[in-house]
Amino acid sequence: GQNIDQPTEMTATEGAIVQINCTYQTSGFNGLFWYQQHAGEAPTFLSYNVLDGLEEKGRFSSFLSRSKGYSYLLLKELQMKDSASYLCAGMDSNYQLIWGAGTKLIIKP
Amino acid sequence: GAVVSQHPSWVICKSGTSVKIECRSLDFQATTMFWYRQFPKQSLMLMATSNEGSKATYEQGVEKDKFLINHASLTLSTLTVTSAHPEDSSFYICSARVGAGVTEAFFGQGTRLTVV
Repeated sequence: GQNIDQPTEMTATEGAIVQINCTYQTSGFNGLFWYQQHAGEAPTFLSYNVLDGLEEKGRFSSFLSRSKGYSYLLLKELQMKDSASYLCAGMDSNYQLIWGAGTKLIIKP
Repeated sequence: GAVVSQHPSWVICKSGTSVKIECRSLDFQATTMFWYRQFPKQSLMLMATSNEGSKATYEQGVEKDKFLINHASLTLSTLTVTSAHPEDSSFYICSARVGAGVTEAFFGQGTRLTVV
């Protein structure tokens, strides 16, 4: 079956660094997406990885290891506005997105 | 990025009535749109894939007679929740992708439905 696993909740301090992990199992693989979702709002796109390695985009970076079925989202210099849920989604061979339950990130001053 | 507009943002309706939610792609044509439901603290659950000019494809366990989907044009898909009940109260989100294959999904703003 297809499955995406990520932690339910994480807490970090403003200004610090946090890494949100995601493991995936999909029927075929066409890449791994990360989205940010603030409470009561729709998700917004953060990153896409299909090749192994690290993709850096400002304060946010995303890493993929296809052999391990593993990805992480790294957030640096945390700001209060980064408090949100972070959704990991794998794209299968039919180009369907398989969504994780999301990781709620709580930023403390 | 591409823009997907969803309307209304929130709606409160009486049990037994029907509610229509619209999803529009504003600056691109979407042959396929996706309808999701999200309960608090849970993941996005795909309800159905809406295909322009043909019948929607529903996920297992989703009642097609209760959740009517119409994708009449390349820029508009509608979801109608018929005979709504309190258990249908949820956050409904549509999304569309530009083109086929590996493309990011753009989401509408979501609709908070409360059935009283």
